[in-house]
Amino acid sequence: SQQGEEDPQALSIQEGENATMNCSYKTSINNLQWYRQNSGRGLVHLILIRSNEREKHSGRLRVTLDTSKKSSSLLITASRAADTASYFCATATNNAGNMLTFGGGTRLMVKP
Amino acid sequence: EPEVTQTPSHQVTQMGQEVILRCVPISNHLYFYWYRQILGQKVEFLVSFYNNEISEKSEIFDDQFSVERPDGSNFTLKIRSTKLEDSAMYFCASSVRSHEQFFGPGTRLTVL
Repeated sequence: SQQGEEDPQALSIQEGENATMNCSYKTSINNLQWYRQNSGRGLVHLILIRSNEREKHSGRLRVTLDTSKKSSSLLITASRAADTASYFCATATNNAGNMLTFGGGTRLMVKP
Repeated sequence: EPEVTQTPSHQVTQMGQEVILRCVPISNHLYFYWYRQILGQKVEFLVSFYNNEISEKSEIFDDQFSVERPDGSNFTLKIRSTKLEDSAMYFCASSVRSHEQFFGPGTRLTVL
């Protein structure tokens, strides 16, 4: 798989349930970022976790990072219909250009 | 809250024509980026820009592409001779060093 691959590709849940999305990557990273994209819209930054961090919280979001397994997960608790969107992980390596490499994303649908 | 803005929101052009996509990054940010997303595909890095020069570019960013910061606020992407395969959503982003990259709403480029 390529750098920054999410699974599942699509996830459908009921409002109130938790949603977990996973991301795997191949090379060493400086940080990993999660973004949300509503259909046809821009990318909204959700959370950044650095390579020396293992877990981070922001509101209903919880991100974990396991550098030994080169994987990360995004948990959205108590989901709402407004959480319906595509979620992407993006990795930044130790390069001068701060290039982000995006995965293919998980399409989350939260049914009311 | 400060945000990245992009103009136009939609650009339609004929194959072979030049286009300039414009971005106003967040004012205190020092790193600027262009990414593109072909419909249904991953977000792809094009170029990063710092201290008035390109710091990194991808294979996509060939001689047909150029970037410029013509004044203290604007950051532009020029495509000299557009091809059909340049049709995509183009996102500008900005950041403070290796911190979170904040994305604009995108410009949808359609090449006919």
